[in-house]
Amino acid sequence: EVQLVETGGGLVQPGRSLKLSCVASGFTFSSYWMYWIRQAPGKGLEWVSSINTDGGSTYYPDSVKGRFTISRDNAENTVYLQMNSLRSEDTATYYCAKDRGGRVSYFDYWGQGVMVTVSS
Amino acid sequence: DIQMTQSPASLSASLGETVTIECLASEDIYDILAWYQQKPGKSPQLLIYDASSLHTGVPSRFSGSGSGTQYSLKINSLQPEDFASYYCQNGLSAPLTFGSGTKLEIK
Repeated sequence: EVQLVETGGGLVQPGRSLKLSCVASGFTFSSYWMYWIRQAPGKGLEWVSSINTDGGSTYYPDSVKGRFTISRDNAENTVYLQMNSLRSEDTATYYCAKDRGGRVSYFDYWGQGVMVTVSS
Repeated sequence: DIQMTQSPASLSASLGETVTIECLASEDIYDILAWYQQKPGKSPQLLIYDASSLHTGVPSRFSGSGSGTQYSLKINSLQPEDFASYYCQNGLSAPLTFGSGTKLEIK
């Protein structure tokens, strides 16, 4: 059974940093791209970052580029999201998601999500 | 960037009815489209990928269709567990954009 468990959320002041972790199990972690997707309270879904299988390629939307960094440790079956220079608009539930596999990007399994609140 | 315009924003229907949700891409996405269901307080779940392929374990009352820039999700014979929010997603190229969502409520 595929499981994705996120940790590391919480309340943080604007301008500060936070690092999220997502531990994966139930599949061959090193064979799949991984993603972070967020959802602001009462709002829709926003893709935040992608990482390829060996961690050598990463992708971000303009809204977080230069502030967020995705990484992975295939030995520990874990994907991370380092969030710097946090803003109030980064307040959201952050989900870790697994790629379905193939040459396009679909999210076939999601974690339970972790809440990040950016406020003074 | 590819924009995904989803309609309607909300929909009210009765048990047993059939409903359709639409998604319009700002350019051709060559059927590289997914649909997700999200229940309140829960994570999204993949329903359909490649515009019309059912994800493992998804009931056959869900179906997807479309091509080019226009896609739709159809739910036949609505069940109580189908009342949720639905999102389409461009899987073709970054940024990986979602539609704004459709909230399906019981009439």
